[in-house]
Amino acid sequence: DSGVTQTPKHLITATGQRVTLRCSPRSGDLSVYWYQQSLDQGLQFLIQYYNGEERAKGNILERFSAQQFPDLHSELNLSSLELGDSALYFCASSVELGAASGYTFGSGTRLTVV
Amino acid sequence: GQNIDQPTEMTATEGAIVQINCTYQTSGFNGLFWYQQHAGEAPTFLSYNVLDGLEEKGRFSSFLSRSKGYSYLLLKELQMKDSASYLCAVRVEGGKLIFGQGTELSVKP
Repeated sequence: DSGVTQTPKHLITATGQRVTLRCSPRSGDLSVYWYQQSLDQGLQFLIQYYNGEERAKGNILERFSAQQFPDLHSELNLSSLELGDSALYFCASSVELGAASGYTFGSGTRLTVV
Repeated sequence: GQNIDQPTEMTATEGAIVQINCTYQTSGFNGLFWYQQHAGEAPTFLSYNVLDGLEEKGRFSSFLSRSKGYSYLLLKELQMKDSASYLCAVRVEGGKLIFGQGTELSVKP
């Protein structure tokens, strides 16, 4: 157990639907990052939060949004889902922005859009 | 733009040594990381370099040359369980990590 908790582990939904992925960072970590990993693709950075505030955005689609709450957990909302959104979605956390230990990843949510 | 290149696949023999290379061109640099990822699982941290030189950690070593935009991960005494994807990542401004596509390593008996 890495200490980063992601729920649900698996999600199957239909095109056009909306889903919410949840992430609880490791205790004490202030920064949360979301990544998308499609089949045969590398980890694509989506968005970063630090202590409740958005810090950086990657190539995140307008249909996707996220937030970090006062208790530091984060949610990634995916709407108007398309087949191409099927992927592994990872959340990672770090204690600070420049930590030598990098990020700790959660076990991921596998999203299948049918 | 951000560009991180590593070979797509490598094959090595159990007990041997393998070197996985990574070259990068990024806007900003604040450290280079190597992660291991088994299929369908979370990436796990292997090593971190921010200064030029070699960092050794057991069977794994990682090297960095900032002037050349180059790093490698060296795995010694390969074991079957080392079969996995190895991800090179650069931390850029703001703290986010940009990942390469990963190198799929197959260890054969």
